[in-house]
Amino acid sequence: KAGVTQTPRYLIKTRGQQVTLSCSPISGHRSVSWYQQTPGQGLQFLFEYFSETQRNKGNFPGRFSGRQFSNSRSEMNVSTLELGDSALYLCASSPTSPSTDTQYFGPGTRLTVL
Amino acid sequence: AQSVSQHNHHVILSEAASLELGCNYSYGGTVNLFWYVQYPGQHLQLLLKYFSGDPLVKGIKGFEAEFIKSKFSFNLRKPSVQWSDTAEYFCAVNVPGGFKTIFGAGTRLFVKA
Repeated sequence: KAGVTQTPRYLIKTRGQQVTLSCSPISGHRSVSWYQQTPGQGLQFLFEYFSETQRNKGNFPGRFSGRQFSNSRSEMNVSTLELGDSALYLCASSPTSPSTDTQYFGPGTRLTVL
Repeated sequence: AQSVSQHNHHVILSEAASLELGCNYSYGGTVNLFWYVQYPGQHLQLLLKYFSGDPLVKGIKGFEAEFIKSKFSFNLRKPSVQWSDTAEYFCAVNVPGGFKTIFGAGTRLFVKA
């Protein structure tokens, strides 16, 4: 079974631009969670989707948004990029819920904002 | 709000030494607890998890963790570390039905051969 895939793997953007990151979960997994990973901060929860519905979100500004498609693939968007948005963005999938299932993580998208 | 504290950001051990990584969480109700590991160049992966039952949980590669409810702790242990245990370890918690996992800041472990 293929693992969680994320595209692109690396991105360089400038302040003020917007970016869209994509995540394809493991086949059959319907829950997708997104995290921001920075040195010293660990993983910060962004949001979780299941069956195209956002079930929870973290404490991030409205510039961060996401969505999930009917095939469970998910995208996250960051508008009006700031230098502090530079981070590794991780996607994780699980069969139905991160509360009870093991989360399987992708390799991440490394975003650099100049 | 839930939070997770990992007391040691960096740990350096020699091979065969014993390991204990501290993890405390803040939440008064029922929680599910996890330890994830990220080996150099690899994805985050689950080491072990606790939902209920025996508070001593065994995971992969000889790791175990003990849930002490009165101390809000879920410390990770291994009796004898190997060079291949060099990695970053993350403690995580979520509330059943909450769909939101809170991670600690991580502990970087370096094992000297």
